[in-house]
Amino acid sequence: GNSVTQMEGPVTLSEEAFLTINCTYTATGYPSLFWYVQYPGEGLQLLLKATKADDKGSNKGFEATYRKETTSFHLEKGSVQVSDSAVYFCALSDDGSSNTGKLIFGQGTTLQVKP
Amino acid sequence: SQTIHQWPATLVQPVGSPLSLECTVEGTSNPNLYWYRQAAGRGLQLLFYSVGIGQISSEVPQNLSASRPQDRQFILSSKKLLLSDSGFYLCAGLKDRGPVNTEAFFGQGTRLTVV
Repeated sequence: GNSVTQMEGPVTLSEEAFLTINCTYTATGYPSLFWYVQYPGEGLQLLLKATKADDKGSNKGFEATYRKETTSFHLEKGSVQVSDSAVYFCALSDDGSSNTGKLIFGQGTTLQVKP
Repeated sequence: SQTIHQWPATLVQPVGSPLSLECTVEGTSNPNLYWYRQAAGRGLQLLFYSVGIGQISSEVPQNLSASRPQDRQFILSSKKLLLSDSGFYLCAGLKDRGPVNTEAFFGQGTRLTVV
């Protein structure tokens, strides 16, 4: 079945460092890919998404490119801030032909940014 | 905008006790609704989803059940909790049943510890 694998955390960086969180997937068909973020004490929020191969999703300085050849959707940010400290989840839509909106998530990666 | 209210944020229950987690939706009608769980070191796993009142689909066999008595109410229950039911439970919704890349929205989650 479809699956998502994320790099294990926690990831600890200093402010203004470059961030990469790896995400690879296994899927049949052409799923949409997502990055969700969960800040402390809050629910999951959509950070960015890509719906087809070679699409680049971007938001708040974060970017991820849908790479079908490597089945990857790595999250990057050029200069992290303390406020970026959160848990990040990679996910794909797993609908097949049923169109139920189900998502498959990775295990989440905790990012800690130190001043 | 659509929101999900989910409570409580944390819960400690003894083994063998019953469970009832509720989430309610505001800002949209007739959404798809989902219950996810994250066990320690694992990704968010879909437990149940519902496409309408009284319609429940179970994704994995387990000790839990779900019900949707009203359009905007989704309940997760257990008659007797097991230690393995500990985890982070997340309620989610999808406002459109059209294209699968429409955005899901999430509650804040419930951290359940069974002791």
